[in-house]
Amino acid sequence: KNEVEQSPQNLTAQEGEFITINCSYSVGISALHWLQQHPGGGIVSLFMLSSGKKKHGRLIATINIQEKHSSLHITASHPRDSAVYICAAPNYGGSQGNLIFGKGTKLSVKP
Amino acid sequence: GAGVSQSPSNKVTEKGKDVELRCDPISGHTALYWYRQSLGQGLEFLIYFQGNSAPDKSGLPSDRFSAERTGGSVSTLTIQRTQQEDSAVYLCASTLLGAGGGEQFFGPGTRLTVL
Repeated sequence: KNEVEQSPQNLTAQEGEFITINCSYSVGISALHWLQQHPGGGIVSLFMLSSGKKKHGRLIATINIQEKHSSLHITASHPRDSAVYICAAPNYGGSQGNLIFGKGTKLSVKP
Repeated sequence: GAGVSQSPSNKVTEKGKDVELRCDPISGHTALYWYRQSLGQGLEFLIYFQGNSAPDKSGLPSDRFSAERTGGSVSTLTIQRTQQEDSAVYLCASTLLGAGGGEQFFGPGTRLTVL
């Protein structure tokens, strides 16, 4: 069974700062998920990545499969980025099946 | 619809009553998952349906919890004899398995409150 650790648990930043959230997992996988949850809102899938790096607007996700580690970066952070960011890995490895979730990183970006 | 839908959005019930929560996945998605998020807690897996295979029920917390997926589409999560610790947001997700698939699309959730 996979175990997923995230850090930091809480993060406060000033608008414009570069943000990094880290995620590590215990069981080798083929794909990792980054999710976003706004207060009172639903969960949105940001990335599913298998190797290297993916970019979507100001969001960048990287993964090192050998090191079992992934990072989510936000460039030029904005108050609307304030949310909980969650990484998740397939429970039994591979790329599919049910997910095991990190505890989330609560990001607050101040104007 | 374009996304995963769930109903009801909110459910308040009395301890000991049974409840049914419904999930309509994205049309054509072969896999469906139920998760729950208790207040202040992270997301936890409950049950997973994949095509016509037997569901993975390994995350169900007790035998009061059960789920069905009819016709490979709509799913119902049933909680019998609800307890206060069942209060949580119940989330459904669906995905298209196979090559290029795997991204999970989440519904808005059902907030269950057991009084």
